[in-house]
Amino acid sequence: NAGVTQTPKFRILKIGQSMTLQCAQDMNHNYMYWYRQDPGMGLKLIYYSVGAGITDKGEVPNGYNVSRSTTEDFPLRLELAAPSQTSVYFCASRALPWTGELFFGEGSRLTVL
Amino acid sequence: TQLLEQSPQFLSIQEGENLTVYCNSSSVFSSLQWYRQEPGEGPVLLVTVVTGGEVKKLKRLTFQFGDARKDSSLHITAAQPGDTGLYLCAGEVNAGNMLTFGGGTRLMVKP
Repeated sequence: NAGVTQTPKFRILKIGQSMTLQCAQDMNHNYMYWYRQDPGMGLKLIYYSVGAGITDKGEVPNGYNVSRSTTEDFPLRLELAAPSQTSVYFCASRALPWTGELFFGEGSRLTVL
Repeated sequence: TQLLEQSPQFLSIQEGENLTVYCNSSSVFSSLQWYRQEPGEGPVLLVTVVTGGEVKKLKRLTFQFGDARKDSSLHITAAQPGDTGLYLCAGEVNAGNMLTFGGGTRLMVKP
């Protein structure tokens, strides 16, 4: 059972570069989320999606973009990387809103130098 | 400014002690969840509370949702080293789909 799969696990970027963090889930969940977690802190919501073709901004969307062309995939795009985007990024999905359990990927550790 | 404020931020206790961590907000939540995260891993769900005043027990862990659905607490009885981790509360306001997390409480239980 794969669950939520994130790639890459680690990446170092130079300032100004762009990249895409991939997220795929095989549980047929409609609800998908991207969070970032800075060292020792909680999770901040970047973007979320309630189904294919629908995305919404979270708490900290600036500098990021997402798309949701299929139920399974929810890639996160970083444009013009900045040191402030150094963080661990988690993708998560759930079957139900409100009370559904969030299933997380293993995280992608991004460093911008 | 976080919608959900957790306290304390850090807690270091001896094995066998009891502890309570808090999750507070000025907003009303349709539901609230508690997760635990270990280093290098994603958070894992412990419990979901929905009804104001609800109390749920999970072995040595007791979770309570405030009557007004603006706050929650997690009480651990006789803490063990295996309870060490980052405890996170998460909630949605007004039954929306924007699930936000608190800043977390980092718990260390020493043998």
